[in-house]
Amino acid sequence: DVQLVESGGVLVQPGGALTLSCAASGFLFSSYWMHWVRQAPGKGLVWVSRIHPYGNSTTYADSVKGRFTISRDNAKDTVYLQMNSLRAEDSGIYYCARSSGDLDYWGQGTLVTVSS
Amino acid sequence: EIVLTQSPATLSLSPGERATLSCRASQSVGTYLTWYQQRPGQAPRLLISDASNRATGIPVRFNGSGSGTDFTLTISDVEPEDFAVYFCQQRSNRPPWTFGQGTKVEV
Repeated sequence: DVQLVESGGVLVQPGGALTLSCAASGFLFSSYWMHWVRQAPGKGLVWVSRIHPYGNSTTYADSVKGRFTISRDNAKDTVYLQMNSLRAEDSGIYYCARSSGDLDYWGQGTLVTVSS
Repeated sequence: EIVLTQSPATLSLSPGERATLSCRASQSVGTYLTWYQQRPGQAPRLLISDASNRATGIPVRFNGSGSGTDFTLTISDVEPEDFAVYFCQQRSNRPPWTFGQGTKVEV
């Protein structure tokens, strides 16, 4: 079965940094684009970033460009989201998702809270 | 950025009734329109891809239609497990991919 397990979410102060991880299993990880999507509590979904199967192409939402970096380690079947200069509006559940065109599998998410 | 507007915000129904959800795009997305279901406390789940193709394991009571800027998700004979929030999402052209604000289907 396809599984995506996120980790790394914590309470962090504004201006701080954090790295999220998403461990994949049950599929050939190196063949798929991977994405991060955020959801503030009780709110909608916001696409954050994506990375090519080989890691040589990345794309970001304007709201995180220059502050967040997506990367992957295909040997470890893991995708990462490095988050710097965090703001209160970055708070929410961060989901990683596999893309086969659409986001066909999602993890259960990890909660990031940016607050002083 | 392409804006997706979903209506209604909330749809109140009884089990067995028909649900009709709308998603309108600010510019044409062709058929690059996807529907997701999110139950409370759970991650989103893929329902419909490319406007009208049910994902693996999705019951036939879920139907998607539309193209261009106007899309519809219909749930015939709503079951208790269908009470959830539904999001549309476009992946037309280049990122950013965008989501609608969601429609809550409630009892």
